[in-house]
Amino acid sequence: QVQLEQSGGEVRKPGASVKISCKASGYTFTTYSISWLRQAPGQGFELMGWISPYNGNTNYAQKYQGRITLTTDTSTSTAYMEVTGLSPDDTAVYYCARDPYGSPAIGLAGTARFDHWGQGSRVIVSS
Amino acid sequence: QSVLTQPPSVSAAPGQRVTISCSGNSSNIGHNYVSWFQQIPGTAPKLLIYDNYKRPSGIPDRFSASTSGTSASLAITGVQAGDEADYFCETWDSGLSDVVFGGGTKLTVL
Repeated sequence: QVQLEQSGGEVRKPGASVKISCKASGYTFTTYSISWLRQAPGQGFELMGWISPYNGNTNYAQKYQGRITLTTDTSTSTAYMEVTGLSPDDTAVYYCARDPYGSPAIGLAGTARFDHWGQGSRVIVSS
Repeated sequence: QSVLTQPPSVSAAPGQRVTISCSGNSSNIGHNYVSWFQQIPGTAPKLLIYDNYKRPSGIPDRFSASTSGTSASLAITGVQAGDEADYFCETWDSGLSDVVFGGGTKLTVL
């Protein structure tokens, strides 16, 4: 079965960076993109960006451009998101999710955005 | 402030039917497909509904959804204790050129 296993929680000081991993299993990693989303305390979800392991294409939400970097390692079926210049407003739970957008799976019947999610990685930014 | 508006909470007794609404506008729900997700606290969100009404394999038919104009709704029939969770809607917003989410609705099973 499809699984996305994320790295554990992190605590960082303002101005620091954090890198979160998302290891995929149960499907061909390069067939689907990986999207990254976050949920701040008491807030709804936000899509931060996505990356296609198939060709390395990325798309970053304007709000996060220049502050996040998405990468993948196809040899280990792992996606990474690095967030720099952290502030307390970045305290949130960060999720990866499988996404056919921008990937070879986009034309497949029965596909849907965010059809499988990781368990979330809590990042706390505090001095 | 979420682009899509959901009631903060709903409640239902076991066996009852409950509906959760998701209100948007012509740039989002009015012209794009809606998905619904279930998030049991401490676990990963789960896709319940996509393309307005379709269920992924493994999702019981107790969960159904529909859209009308600029609103969408999720219905759960035969509510069970295990359905106690947060439910949120999602769609594309053509004006914002971005994915938008509802703020989530907490279902309490009485």
